[in-house]
Amino acid sequence: GNSVTQMEGPVTLSEEAFLTINCTYTATGYPSLFWYVQYPGEGLQLLLKATKADDKGSNKGFEATYRKETTSFHLEKGSVQVSDSAVYFCALISSGNTPLVFGKGTRLSVIA
Amino acid sequence: EPEVTQTPSHQVTQMGQEVILRCVPISNHLYFYWYRQILGQKVEFLVSFYNNEISEKSEIFDDQFSVERPDGSNFTLKIRSTKLEDSAMYFCASSEAQGLTEAFFGQGTRLTVV
Repeated sequence: GNSVTQMEGPVTLSEEAFLTINCTYTATGYPSLFWYVQYPGEGLQLLLKATKADDKGSNKGFEATYRKETTSFHLEKGSVQVSDSAVYFCALISSGNTPLVFGKGTRLSVIA
Repeated sequence: EPEVTQTPSHQVTQMGQEVILRCVPISNHLYFYWYRQILGQKVEFLVSFYNNEISEKSEIFDDQFSVERPDGSNFTLKIRSTKLEDSAMYFCASSEAQGLTEAFFGQGTRLTVV
């Protein structure tokens, strides 16, 4: 079946540090890939997405590239801010009318 | 900006009791979903709902669970007889179109069964 594996947290970084959160997936066919973010006290928000191999999703300084050869969709940001502290979820949809499959989430704490 | 709202934010209930978790989806959305996350585990799909009926459900969504859209605005998840293992964060989501590419999630209801 479809599954998503992301690195265990929590991840603690100093402000302006480089961030990588690893995500790998197992899926049939050609899934669409997503990163969702949950800020404290809020719901899940779509951060970025990529729908085919080699696509790069980007938003708010975050990027992730759909790598079919390594079945990965790692999230990166060059310089994190305290306001980026949140839980980040990698997710996939394997076809248009199937539900999202989520990873466990990675908690990021950025300290000033 | 339109948003999905869930109430309550935290519910504590005794084992065996019935609970109803409430969600108000975005008004022009047609597809509705419930997900849950047990502490430290993955966010898991429970059920999707469209046109006043369940369109898909997971194996988690057994006879103890039901969903309803009692009026034009609310979307509820009922657990008839709660078990300790039902303790989790429950997320509601809605979308205009099928699939979850543009789904909007609520802030979640934390259910604690004691």
